[in-house]
Amino acid sequence: DIVMTQSPDSLAVSLGERATINCKSSQSVLYSSNNKNYLAWYQQKPGQTPELLIYWASTRESGVPDRFSGSGSGTDFTLTISSLQAEDVAVYYCQQYYSTPYTFGQGTKLEIK
Amino acid sequence: QVQLQQSGPGLVKPSQTLSLTCAISGDSVSRNGVTWNWIRQSPSRGLEWLGRTYYKSKWSTDYATSVKSRITINPDTSNNQFSLQLNSVTPEDTAVYYCATVTSSDALHIWGQGTLVTVSS
Repeated sequence: DIVMTQSPDSLAVSLGERATINCKSSQSVLYSSNNKNYLAWYQQKPGQTPELLIYWASTRESGVPDRFSGSGSGTDFTLTISSLQAEDVAVYYCQQYYSTPYTFGQGTKLEIK
Repeated sequence: QVQLQQSGPGLVKPSQTLSLTCAISGDSVSRNGVTWNWIRQSPSRGLEWLGRTYYKSKWSTDYATSVKSRITINPDTSNNQFSLQLNSVTPEDTAVYYCATVTSSDALHIWGQGTLVTVSS
């Protein structure tokens, strides 16, 4: 199974500041035949269902604000929130869908400083 | 717009079978290549993908290693839904269970509302 490891486990950022969350996979999730990274990011607000933010490592899901961006390739990925808003308080998860069993990171809890 | 509606009991006794159903609106469970997934979430295990079913010339399933001996995911084409059965449950199987599906990638674009299942006598 591919192991997904996120850092940090928790993060406190001031409103309007940048938040950066990292995700590392135990093996590459880049599919060479189409040059796509099979990596997604989800946001889970307190008491709610996880929601897809980013897929193919850097493609925003429809309706996701452009302050959210994803980057990286191979085994190292980053989710960046360019200017933190109060409604971004949540737990963020990365997930690989390169091969089954699909696996998630342990989550990063984002709070307001 | 695809929507998923989960149903099933919230309490299951140890050693019995957990059964949940995910009803689909706005799509067909038989649509070629679309995967229909089950995921669970608990404080101890985090988010855990359990398995999927899909039709691609024939029906196929994939399961997580951790539950492979106990899990069955079945499509129900008559009712346009799919189901999860987990046998021989223990308190470790207590979790919120979600169904989910894909759209423009194999990421989990659409989720059901979640069902808290408690395993307790």
